[in-house]
Amino acid sequence: GAGVSQSPSNKVTEKGKDVELRCDPISGHTALYWYRQSLGQGLEFLIYFQGNSAPDKSGLPSDRFSAERTGGSVSTLTIQRTQQEDSAVYLCASSLWTSLATQYFGPGTRLLVL
Amino acid sequence: RKEVEQDPGPFNVPEGATVAFNCTYSNSASQSFFWYRQDCRKEPKLLMSVYSSGNEDGRFTAQLNRASQYISLLIRDSKLSDSATYLCVVNVGGTSYGKLTFGQGTILTVHP
Repeated sequence: GAGVSQSPSNKVTEKGKDVELRCDPISGHTALYWYRQSLGQGLEFLIYFQGNSAPDKSGLPSDRFSAERTGGSVSTLTIQRTQQEDSAVYLCASSLWTSLATQYFGPGTRLLVL
Repeated sequence: RKEVEQDPGPFNVPEGATVAFNCTYSNSASQSFFWYRQDCRKEPKLLMSVYSSGNEDGRFTAQLNRASQYISLLIRDSKLSDSATYLCVVNVGGTSYGKLTFGQGTILTVHP
């Protein structure tokens, strides 16, 4: 079956511009996660959506970052006024409703801020 | 102290070798544990979950020691295709359920 998909696969933007990254989770998965992987760094948790519950935003690095999930499916991660340090691979994952279920990752969006 | 610590390597081993990776975690309340594999410029993929009793999947064996907060992965009879970065992953659960914490990864290169 189809896995997690993300778009765009690559994004180059200028410092100060806003960007939107999209994630389509696996059908039937109610939990959706965003992570970030910077060059030479480990994966860093950003935000977590579970069903209709309030999202866990504890990993968002600044108020320039926000995410929403419409209709319990597709999610968009928005970065406002991008900075060079935002350059990274942004990975989305989804899982079944159980909190300890396996997370399946999408291919990621490579963001480069010039 | 990092929440999940791994030896970054790199480990360079010949085909057929046995190699072991170690990982420690700081939160004693952690509830579930995994090894993920990440190939170059690809997304992480689940290799195996780690159970308290230890578990094996073909050439791969994972162990968990809750008392020492230590996780290991053993790869026997290494193949060229095992070359990748191996990520130790912990889920604290509880109020932080869903939030995976990743180690920095251990780089493995298997050579002919």
